[in-house]
Amino acid sequence: GENVEQHPSTLSVQEGDSAVIKCTYSDSASNYFPWYKQELGKRPQLIIDIRSNVGEKKDQRIAVTLNKTAKHFSLHITETQPEDSAVYFCAARGGSYIPTFGRGTSLIVHP
Amino acid sequence: DAGVIQSPRHEVTEMGQEVTLRCKPISGHNSLFWYRQTMMRGLELLIYFNNNVPIDDSGMPEDRFSAKMPNASFSTLKIQPSEPRDSAVYFCASSRSGASYNSPLHFGNGTRLTVT
Repeated sequence: GENVEQHPSTLSVQEGDSAVIKCTYSDSASNYFPWYKQELGKRPQLIIDIRSNVGEKKDQRIAVTLNKTAKHFSLHITETQPEDSAVYFCAARGGSYIPTFGRGTSLIVHP
Repeated sequence: DAGVIQSPRHEVTEMGQEVTLRCKPISGHNSLFWYRQTMMRGLELLIYFNNNVPIDDSGMPEDRFSAKMPNASFSTLKIQPSEPRDSAVYFCASSRSGASYNSPLHFGNGTRLTVT
């Protein structure tokens, strides 16, 4: 089955800095890679996703890159703000339609 | 679109009691997932339904856990008898799935279960 590794587990940055979270996956058949943000006490919510036919996608301060050859994908947040503080999960999904989640990254943005 | 609706939001029960968690997926979504979230284990997939049929229940911890999806708009997760180690947040999520596309999961607000 699919295995998704996510790093780092905790990331602390100053407001205005950039944050990068990296994930690797094992199943070459995976073709859909969503990222979810979970604020404390709330549900995970999709923030951005990328499909395997695209190498990069951007939405305002958030971008995701995908390297299918190396089987890794990354989330980039620029100009971080305190409200970006949350747990971020990556996931990989393929032919089984069952997404496999990473263990999560706790992002702390200090004002 | 009301989103995925779960009930109850909070459940406190005593060890040995039966617990039933409920979920209404988004209309038109044909895939439904039950997840359990704890600090130690993160998000664990318990069971996955597609078109109301259980496809993968390998994540169900043991026979004390059971899940049903009698129709496209309702699912239950039952724990009988409950134990303190079952304390966690249980999320239901739904999505559309098909041969030609993938789509994101939409999570409900979760049920926080405490077993004393």
